[in-house]
Amino acid sequence: QVQLVQSGAEVKQPGASVKVSCKASGYTFTIYYIHWIRQAPGQGLEWMGIITPNVGGTRYAQKFQGRVTMTRDTSTSTVYMELTSLRSEDTAVYYCAREAYYEAKNFDYWGQGSLVTVSS
Amino acid sequence: QSALTQPASVSGSPGQSITISCTGTSSDVGGYNYVSWYQHRPGNAPILMIYDVVNRPSGVSNRFSGSKSGNTASLTISGLQAEDEADYYCCSYTSSTTLAYVFGAGTKVTVL
Repeated sequence: QVQLVQSGAEVKQPGASVKVSCKASGYTFTIYYIHWIRQAPGQGLEWMGIITPNVGGTRYAQKFQGRVTMTRDTSTSTVYMELTSLRSEDTAVYYCAREAYYEAKNFDYWGQGSLVTVSS
Repeated sequence: QSALTQPASVSGSPGQSITISCTGTSSDVGGYNYVSWYQHRPGNAPILMIYDVVNRPSGVSNRFSGSKSGNTASLTISGLQAEDEADYYCCSYTSSTTLAYVFGAGTKVTVL
């Protein structure tokens, strides 16, 4: 069965960086795009960006340009999202989500979420 | 890019039908048939309930249905059940240059 398993919770100081992992299983990793979506406390969902696991192509929301980097390791079927220069407003649950099929424009499987807390 | 507009909360009694609206613009909801809806219970991963405005993934109850008129999409839950209590988010692909997808702020569904 399809699974996206994310890394655990992190506590970071302002200005630090965090790298969240998302390990895929149960399907051919290189075929399906992976997106990163976050939810700050009491807020809605926010799209951050996409990575194409086959070639590693990325597109980021302008809001995160310059601070976010999405990468992948095809040998372990794992996608990574690194966010730098953290501030308190980055405190959120970060989700990876699979795009249902090529250019589907919806997300059929999600990871369990990784809580990132930014606090001094 | 503003979030899509959803009501903060909707409630209904068991067996009733409720509808959640999701209003965007011609750059997102009105311009594409790429509206999807997600059910989200706290502490759990979101679940895809509707995609491409009207389609249900296998395994999703046929009590859930989607529609769209102009710049507003809607999710209807018929025969409301206690298990339907959750947050619901709409999402649309967008032609915006600043991001590819925009979500609504979410609607809390309460079963009375």
